[in-house]
Amino acid sequence: QVQLQESGPGLVKPSETLSLTCGVSGYSISSGFYWGWVRQTPGKELEWIANIYHSGTTYYNPSLESRLTISVDKSKNQFSLNLRSLTAADTAVYYCGRLLGTAGRGVLDIWGQGITVTVSS
Amino acid sequence: DIQMTQSPSSVSASIGDRVTIACRASQSVAGWLAWYQQKAGKAPKLLIYGATNLYTGVPSRFSGSGSGTDFTLTISSLQPEDFATYFCQQANTFPLTFGGGTRVEI
Repeated sequence: QVQLQESGPGLVKPSETLSLTCGVSGYSISSGFYWGWVRQTPGKELEWIANIYHSGTTYYNPSLESRLTISVDKSKNQFSLNLRSLTAADTAVYYCGRLLGTAGRGVLDIWGQGITVTVSS
Repeated sequence: DIQMTQSPSSVSASIGDRVTIACRASQSVAGWLAWYQQKAGKAPKLLIYGATNLYTGVPSRFSGSGSGTDFTLTISSLQPEDFATYFCQQANTFPLTFGGGTRVEI
């Protein structure tokens, strides 16, 4: 079955860059679907971050776009997120997922387990 | 951005109860509305997509209705494993946005 697994640091300093990777197993990213990132704040609010297709087509949340880059590595069957200039407001659980939908819009039908990221000095 | 407002923010219920959760969008999202269930420490799980479509493996006691701006998630007979937090999400317009959640508790 399709499984996703986030990896990356759990603690990052303010002003630094967060780099997360989502490894996909049980399905080839090149076969289709959009793939995305969502985060959940300590107050439990969910925020969509970005989506990407294997072709490299991306959709970003405008509130994060100036600090954000997502990419896909088809050879490793994974996709990644880089979020720059971190502040405490970026502290959250970060989830990756597969999108069920069209044209980059959709709902996440398969989620990773999530990775807790704390921004603190 | 489209604001998604859920009500109530929490509901107390008993086993066997019928539970209804509402989600209102600040503008029309047509039928592009999903519902998720989240338990403590776990990722959300997709229950309903396209406002009314039950996702694979989801029990039939869950159902969704609505279109445009007003949507409802109904649990016809609450089971012990249904105590959780439920979120709606619109997938019609970027940025994709979520409701604030409804906690279903005893």
